[in-house]
Amino acid sequence: SQQGEEDPQALSIQEGENATMNCSYKTSINNLQWYRQNSGRGLVHLILIRSNEREKHSGRLRVTLDTSKKSSSLLITASRAADTASYFCAPQSNAGKSTFGDGTTLTVKP
Amino acid sequence: GAVVSQHPSWVICKSGTSVKIECRSLDFQATTMFWYRQFPKQSLMLMATSNEGSKATYEQGVEKDKFLINHASLTLSTLTVTSAHPEDSSFYICSARDPASGEYNEQFFGPGTRLTVL
Repeated sequence: SQQGEEDPQALSIQEGENATMNCSYKTSINNLQWYRQNSGRGLVHLILIRSNEREKHSGRLRVTLDTSKKSSSLLITASRAADTASYFCAPQSNAGKSTFGDGTTLTVKP
Repeated sequence: GAVVSQHPSWVICKSGTSVKIECRSLDFQATTMFWYRQFPKQSLMLMATSNEGSKATYEQGVEKDKFLINHASLTLSTLTVTSAHPEDSSFYICSARDPASGEYNEQFFGPGTRLTVL
């Protein structure tokens, strides 16, 4: 199965700073998605980037994809306390199976 | 992106009872859906792949008689936790593959169902 591994495991920043999280995977993918999960809550879809795309923006989010390095990054600019959550990447292969990594726990201090 | 819903969003049941969780694709037909579970402070683990009109494919270590999956229509898959025990308490999340995404094989996740077994 395709497993995404997020890095770092935990990230603590001050409000207003930028937060960068990375994701690595092992085999070829068709697309990669990033999700956010607040403690005890469900997944919230953030952004999807296709294998033929290199960068995508959505509001304060910027996602990059480097298929040659099998990696992706999620950048949150001008972070807010409400961005505090766990962030997961979900690389998806043609078979459709994805196994999430342990996620990055982001803490934004007010 | 496409929308996937789950019902209920949370459920509390007594040990020994069975619980059914529904996963629906709201604006597309999904021939393939996936079921995941997540323990507290851990990642999501794939349990099984649900295929419309055929038997589900279970991941290694997942008891198929314990977790019954039915994908009777192109918009609905159900997961039934049979004879639930406290160790089955978990967050169950489904996802559905959008066939309109073609080669990009886009898969969208539901919000999850929190099961607590007393």
